[in-house]
Amino acid sequence: GAVVSQHPSWVICKSGTSVKIECRSLDFQATTMFWYRQFPKQSLMLMATSNEGSKATYEQGVEKDKFLINHASLTLSTLTVTSAHPEDSSFYICSASAARARFHEQFFGPGTRLTVL
Amino acid sequence: QKEVEQDPGPLSVPEGAIVSLNCTYSNSAFQYFMWYRQYSRKGPELLMYTYSSGNKEDGRFTAQVDKSSKYISLFIRDSQPSDSATYLCAMSEGQGGKLIFGQGTELSVKP
Repeated sequence: GAVVSQHPSWVICKSGTSVKIECRSLDFQATTMFWYRQFPKQSLMLMATSNEGSKATYEQGVEKDKFLINHASLTLSTLTVTSAHPEDSSFYICSASAARARFHEQFFGPGTRLTVL
Repeated sequence: QKEVEQDPGPLSVPEGAIVSLNCTYSNSAFQYFMWYRQYSRKGPELLMYTYSSGNKEDGRFTAQVDKSSKYISLFIRDSQPSDSATYLCAMSEGQGGKLIFGQGTELSVKP
């Protein structure tokens, strides 16, 4: 149980376009979803935390107008990278947690590799 | 200074060796300590978690937390080539709290 999927697994886009990444909890209802970014050989950096039906909370330094997060249901959150630029190229990983899971464990998706040309 | 420091390696060991991975941290409010394994181009998967200080064992894996020294360790016994991956430590102040990750240690176990 506790499977989280992401779609797409990889995407290549032109500079200036927008890209949407979906994160789904397949077999549980996620009270909270998290979005992380990971550059090569670097750690996971939290971008934002979102709860179903409410606005996302962004980490310091993350532009909320550039990285739009929507958490419309207990099983789906989306991250839209608007007007993407080459420096936005990265590995984006979501995670989902449920209040009834042990220590509110976060279950991670497989990640989405974004390349902006 | 980063909140969580982890030697990025890479670390290369022969099959069967005992592997020791470590992290240090500066925030004394951290209460939950996790170790994740991440294969290339995949999301992290939880290996071990520990609440507060102490040891925890699960098969070939042992996690240790020393809060007085702000130091955590993961030991892998009888390491296997399939253990080759990046190992990330992570910590949080409370349940469901923000996870702070270490940089990750790249481990290679040679047959």
